[in-house]
Amino acid sequence: DIQMTQSPSSLSASVGDRVTITCRASQGVSSHLAWFQQQPGKAPKPLIYAASSLQSGVPSKFSGSGSGTYFTLTISSLQPEDFGTYYCQQYTGYPLTFGGGTKVEIK
Amino acid sequence: EVQLVESGGGLVQPGGSLRLSCAASGFTFSDYYMDWVRQAPGKGLEWISRSRNKANSYTTEYAASVKGRFTLSRDDSENSLYLQMNSLKTEDTAVYYCARCLYCSSSTWGYMDVWGKGTTVTVSS
Repeated sequence: DIQMTQSPSSLSASVGDRVTITCRASQGVSSHLAWFQQQPGKAPKPLIYAASSLQSGVPSKFSGSGSGTYFTLTISSLQPEDFGTYYCQQYTGYPLTFGGGTKVEIK
Repeated sequence: EVQLVESGGGLVQPGGSLRLSCAASGFTFSDYYMDWVRQAPGKGLEWISRSRNKANSYTTEYAASVKGRFTLSRDDSENSLYLQMNSLKTEDTAVYYCARCLYCSSSTWGYMDVWGKGTTVTVSS
């Protein structure tokens, strides 16, 4: 199985801050990497697919980069509505696997 | 509007069975691969199964944690996906989400672009 490791597991940042979350795969996944945002009590919402492509309707403050085994999700200017838990997920082999999540809190 | 609505969750005793349904609307269901993902209370996301489309013979994939106990099926005429869960364990307690795989085909890997709101399964005596 491909293990996905996210860091940090949690962070607290101020409105307007630039925030970066990293995701490492235990083996190469090419660009088959998606990022999701999940807020309490809600379903995950796709943000990024193919490592760097923005999901339709998602604001451009979100961006993704990387390929192979190292990926990042960046929020260019953190806003109050960006709180929640962020997950990376590889989709290049079965079982599909998610990272453990990064909980983002607003200071 | 593209929509997925899960149903069928509830309280069941260990060793029991439950059948989840996912009703799709707003898109041509038969064209798509479909997934189930679950989330145990306070935990992360776990993919558990995938149904390929008719063009790919409705073949399925399962996570090791549910293989042999869960069975995935679909009825394209009803735009519905089903997850039959047998021999349930307390560790199957979770919110179960249905998701659509965009760009999935026999030659390409896709991602989960549409999710339902989930249905809650509680396995407890």
